[in-house]
Amino acid sequence: DQQVKQNSPSLSVQEGRISILNCDYTNSMFDYFLWYKKYPAEGPTFLISISSIKDKNEDGRFTVFLNKSAKHLSLHIVPSQPGDSAVYFCAASANTGNQFYFGTGTSLTVIP
Amino acid sequence: DTAVSQTPKYLVTQMGNDKSIKCEQNLGHDTMYWYKQDSKKFLKIMFSYNNKELIINETVPNRFSPKSPDKAHLNLHINSLELGDSAVYFCASSRKAYEQYFGPGTRLTVT
Repeated sequence: DQQVKQNSPSLSVQEGRISILNCDYTNSMFDYFLWYKKYPAEGPTFLISISSIKDKNEDGRFTVFLNKSAKHLSLHIVPSQPGDSAVYFCAASANTGNQFYFGTGTSLTVIP
Repeated sequence: DTAVSQTPKYLVTQMGNDKSIKCEQNLGHDTMYWYKQDSKKFLKIMFSYNNKELIINETVPNRFSPKSPDKAHLNLHINSLELGDSAVYFCASSRKAYEQYFGPGTRLTVT
């Protein structure tokens, strides 16, 4: 039973444009959400997070939006750069635990 | 300095063997994890462990066992390896409920 879903396995965007990566979850107890970026042959690296008390968190070119009623979050990258090409995972956690549930990832390609 | 390290990076072994993957973190975190990324790229938690509690994902076969000699290490032992165990295994660490720092992964191939 997959509690965190990323329904788009891949996304291609022109350099300079906005990349929007989406993530849906089913567990209403989740209250902390993260995005990770993964290059081939490396482990995921933390990118940005958001707590359920917020609906937006911004860090430079990266902004995460949370819609609790829809159980949906999205990561916006603007402007997109070729170095952003990677697999992006969203993850979610409930406040009780150390367990994070990951989506299956979206492979982003930024075309120069 | 590498924050979370794993050894070996690649491991090729035959069915039925017993193997271990080592993980070390120098971040002072009190919680460590093991994840399995299967052929469908699904990153699934296997264990989370701190000095008080081991949480085991119920879908993990008991052939897999985490062993923590100290707070900075969480090794993964796998007995009687099967073909389906072939995957990339990631170690990670965190402070409770915060972002996790991942190791580079160990690609296990069972033949």
